[in-house]
Amino acid sequence: ILNVEQSPQSLHVQEGDSTNFTCSFPSSNFYALHWYRWETAKSPEALFVMTLNGDEKKKGRISATLNTKEGYSYLYIKGSQPEDSATYLCAFMASGTYKYIFGTGTRLKVLA
Amino acid sequence: GAVVSQHPSRVICKSGTSVKIECRSLDFQATTMFWYRQFPKKSLMLMATSNEGSKATYEQGVEKDKFLINHASLTLSTLTVTSAHPEDSSFYICSARDGAGRSYEQYFGPGTRLTVT
Repeated sequence: ILNVEQSPQSLHVQEGDSTNFTCSFPSSNFYALHWYRWETAKSPEALFVMTLNGDEKKKGRISATLNTKEGYSYLYIKGSQPEDSATYLCAFMASGTYKYIFGTGTRLKVLA
Repeated sequence: GAVVSQHPSRVICKSGTSVKIECRSLDFQATTMFWYRQFPKKSLMLMATSNEGSKATYEQGVEKDKFLINHASLTLSTLTVTSAHPEDSSFYICSARDGAGRSYEQYFGPGTRLTVT
């Protein structure tokens, strides 16, 4: 059974703080790792698609790194804002299946 | 970006009735759609993969007669929860994959909260 874990489950940070969370996934049969941002009552929004070991991607104040050999990805948010409050999901995709296996998400609350 | 709608967003039904949930890709053709279920504090769990014009592929442990999936067009897939019972109460969310895309990225609907009384 393939397992994808995210930590922490939730966290509260102050506006302006930088933060990061982790997604751990199987290191074998890796095809891609996707990060999504999910606000309540909305559709999960794609943030990054990461495919190569050592990948670093950035979108505004949010960035992500990928280590496929050890099976983890970090998501970083610099200078958190209240509008960053959401659940951040990672989804692992194994080669051959091309189906997502999701982590449970990290629920971020940015306090003004 | 690609938009997927899902309807209804919330439904309450009585035990024994059937409920249909629709998933539509609004601005792209979705050759493949996926149906997920989420229990409280758990991750999204894939229920089935739906390919246009063919039978859905169900994940292990998911009853195909209980959760009927129809993907009759490139923009619409439906999930029907038949003879619903309180244990079927859950959050159901669909996603669609652009047939022209190469990254296998999925675009999600906003989900449906089903409550069976």
